[in-house]
Amino acid sequence: AQSVAQPEDQVNVAEGNPLTVKCTYSVSGNPYLFWYVQYPNRGLQFLLKYITGDNLVKGSYGFEAEFNKSQTSFHLKKPSALVSDSALYFCAVRPYTGRRALTFGSGTRLQVQP
Amino acid sequence: EAEVAQSPRYKITEKSQAVAFWCDPISGHATLYWYRQILGQGPELLVQFQDESVVDDSQLPKDRFSAERLKGVDSTLKIQPAELGDSAMYLCASSLGGPQDSYEQYFGPGTRLTVT
Repeated sequence: AQSVAQPEDQVNVAEGNPLTVKCTYSVSGNPYLFWYVQYPNRGLQFLLKYITGDNLVKGSYGFEAEFNKSQTSFHLKKPSALVSDSALYFCAVRPYTGRRALTFGSGTRLQVQP
Repeated sequence: EAEVAQSPRYKITEKSQAVAFWCDPISGHATLYWYRQILGQGPELLVQFQDESVVDDSQLPKDRFSAERLKGVDSTLKIQPAELGDSAMYLCASSLGGPQDSYEQYFGPGTRLTVT
């Protein structure tokens, strides 16, 4: 069975500073990895994905993530945080074959202070 | 931009009552998912459809929950009877499925259920 760990319940960063939201995963075989963002009382919005190829993937709103197979990690990054980035971020995984449904982490709340 | 539609957005019901949620996926999406998100946690799969067929309902509490997607388009999730522990956000998502699948799932706004 697959699993996702997001070790930080909350990340605080000042506007303009770089941000990192951590994610590690466990899955049989090659992973498909995703980041989603959730604003209050809303559904999840897709940010980016890693399927294959370049380990650094770029997504929406200036976010990027780096796939590290040896560390089984897929950390979300942004060079310069905005106050509007404040939201709940979820990392998710599914295996290359088999079950297509996503397994999500417990989420990390990002707070960007002006 | 095409979106996944869900209704109602909010539902308050008393325990032991029946409740139903509706989802209309993005047009042309063959795969439809229902997830449950308890406050403070990530979403967890309840049921997955490929067209009109259930392909994964291993986490669906079948004694009280049922789901259908009769024509392979929109879907209904029902709870009967509702229990206090069912209070959560119910999210519907869809993806293309098939050989053209780009793998990401698109989520609706969710239905927030409160059972009193």
